[in-house]
Amino acid sequence: SYVLTQPPSVSVAPGQTARITCGGNNIGSKSVHWYQQKPGQAPVLVVYDDSDRPSGIPERFSGSNSGNTATLTISRVEAGDEADYYCQVWDSSSDHPHVVFGGGTKLTVL
Amino acid sequence: EVQLVESGGGLVQPGGSLRLSCAASGFTFSSYWMSWVRQAPGKGLEWVANIKQDGSEKYYVDSVKGRFTISRDNAKNSLYLQMNSLRAEDTAVYYCARDNLASFDYWGQGTLVTVSS
Repeated sequence: SYVLTQPPSVSVAPGQTARITCGGNNIGSKSVHWYQQKPGQAPVLVVYDDSDRPSGIPERFSGSNSGNTATLTISRVEAGDEADYYCQVWDSSSDHPHVVFGGGTKLTVL
Repeated sequence: EVQLVESGGGLVQPGGSLRLSCAASGFTFSSYWMSWVRQAPGKGLEWVANIKQDGSEKYYVDSVKGRFTISRDNAKNSLYLQMNSLRAEDTAVYYCARDNLASFDYWGQGTLVTVSS
């Protein structure tokens, strides 16, 4: 089955840029979606289809996807961005298509 | 305003059954795929199952195949998850989510299922 690999943690100082990666075999051929989850809350979609933002999501959140790596970039990081981030794809390569999540990355704002 | 409200969680013994419900409002429920996603305590997100708009297609993660059944009632704007033969490893918060072209754009607040004797 398809596997998405994320670093367990990323740390960044306020005002700096955070980059969270999501690795997968030829992930560049798939649409990647990103979610933010704060403690005790449901996940929130922050980027869909590699690089699009839902309404209400700040422009500081952006995404890219090429080759074997997709990346969520958070510019001018704020304390409120501290959360777990998950990447997700729809894997239709097998005879039973299914949704795959990465293991999640904890973003710490120093 | 889109709202998804789960219910039906609770404590159940191993081998027992539980039925989760998700009440949807604020959008045309019958126009969207819907999914269940779970999160074990302190762990990451795991997709469980999804169902097509008219219920004609359903997909499951391998670990729940044959034990869980997803269904929907478009007349009642409701999504369901029938969970049988529950195991300790099924303990999790279960989220209902709207599937919008393969991403989940709205989520419920979740309902906790605890499988323990």
